[in-house]
Amino acid sequence: AQSVTQLGSHVSVSEGALVLLRCNYSSSVPPYLFWYVQYPNQGLQLLLKYTSAATLVKGINGFEAEFKKSETSFHLTKPSAHMSDAAEYFCAVSGSSYGQNFVFGPGTRLSVLP
Amino acid sequence: SAVISQKPSRDICQRGTSLTIQCQVDSQVTMMFWYRQQPGQSLTLIATANQGSEATYESGFVIDKFPISRPNLTFSTLTVSNMSPEDSSIYLCSVEATGSNTIYFGEGSWLTVV
Repeated sequence: AQSVTQLGSHVSVSEGALVLLRCNYSSSVPPYLFWYVQYPNQGLQLLLKYTSAATLVKGINGFEAEFKKSETSFHLTKPSAHMSDAAEYFCAVSGSSYGQNFVFGPGTRLSVLP
Repeated sequence: SAVISQKPSRDICQRGTSLTIQCQVDSQVTMMFWYRQQPGQSLTLIATANQGSEATYESGFVIDKFPISRPNLTFSTLTVSNMSPEDSSIYLCSVEATGSNTIYFGEGSWLTVV
């Protein structure tokens, strides 16, 4: 069984500051890991995914995440926050390629302060 | 990635009525999924819909309340039956693009039950 925890339900950063959103997972099999973003009043958009290739994964909008097996983590970072990054971010884990095994974390709301 | 269209995008429904949500994909996909996102919450999988077979429901969800159709490889519907205010949620259609190990989401259907 898989599970996901996201530390911090709400994170605030200043515009231009580093964004760090934390995700830890539990999986009994080698995981597939994902970050999705949900902008206000919209559906979910895939930011990036890890599927056992390079441990540092680059995504859209300047985001990247690093898979650390020893820490069972997949934290999301962006060097410089932009106002448009304000959104809800969900980490997800899958133990296979089938969507029915996707487990989503509780989400982290990112606020960007001017 | 797949382009997923959902209708309606938003609706306000009367208690006791039923509403059918449509999901159309721009390519043939094997697996389609329906998720619910209650206000301020993460995503919960309702069911998996495969073409030509009965939908598979997750614990806590039943066919009488959430009947699903999957008539072909590009289309599915979810009906929310006998609605109550507790059914006020975002309902999201998602698909696994063949060979991508990833699920993609529609824009969601935002239902408010009054």
